[in-house]
Amino acid sequence: GAGVSQSPRYKVAKRGQDVALRCDPISGHVSLFWYQQALGQGPEFLTYFQNEAQLDKSGLPSDRFFAERPEGSVSTLKIQRTQQEDSAVYLCASSFSDRRSGNTIYFGEGSWLTVV
Amino acid sequence: GDSVTQMEGPVTLSEEAFLTINCTYTATGYPSLFWYVQYPGEGLQLLLKATKADDKGSNKGFEATYRKETTSFHLEKGSVQVSDSAVYFCALIDPQGAQKLVFGQGTRLTINP
Repeated sequence: GAGVSQSPRYKVAKRGQDVALRCDPISGHVSLFWYQQALGQGPEFLTYFQNEAQLDKSGLPSDRFFAERPEGSVSTLKIQRTQQEDSAVYLCASSFSDRRSGNTIYFGEGSWLTVV
Repeated sequence: GDSVTQMEGPVTLSEEAFLTINCTYTATGYPSLFWYVQYPGEGLQLLLKATKADDKGSNKGFEATYRKETTSFHLEKGSVQVSDSAVYFCALIDPQGAQKLVFGQGTRLTINP
């Protein structure tokens, strides 16, 4: 597709349930990012991939959060044993190369997770 | 660590009014600066950017100038339209540091006809 695609757009999970959020980046984009955006706040960095390598996972809030990008394209963010504080919009973003300032980072529309 | 501070919202203006949304930053290096916009029901879109001191980014009538001496990147528009109603985020990326955008908390803008 033309943009970053995320699914599902909306997910309601019961507390304790595992969830998986999918991201299809723009074709050919080397860099992929996951962000978490709580209601009324700016996005907070979770993790970064360059191709299939996860180069930075410093923003993952706990070991219940896991991300992968096994073939260097599609990525999945998995949250185990969801808690109410995990309720947020999860944003995926991609960019063409790993040059840090010169390339535009494109965002998907997000996956809205509500834990009840 | 690096951080971005934006003016508190929400901001409500009448159509054709002048807009300023303040943004200041803290960074150890020389960051690149960005404004992103989030329209209702849509994803974040890059509005404009500036990569070095005194650069001016501009797009869709919006402008922002990278001011190193005041560590600021204020967003301005001379005459706003109802269609500019959205949430605006100031952000930075440190080219010498981690490969990640650091965002402000966002400013919700509503333009009334």
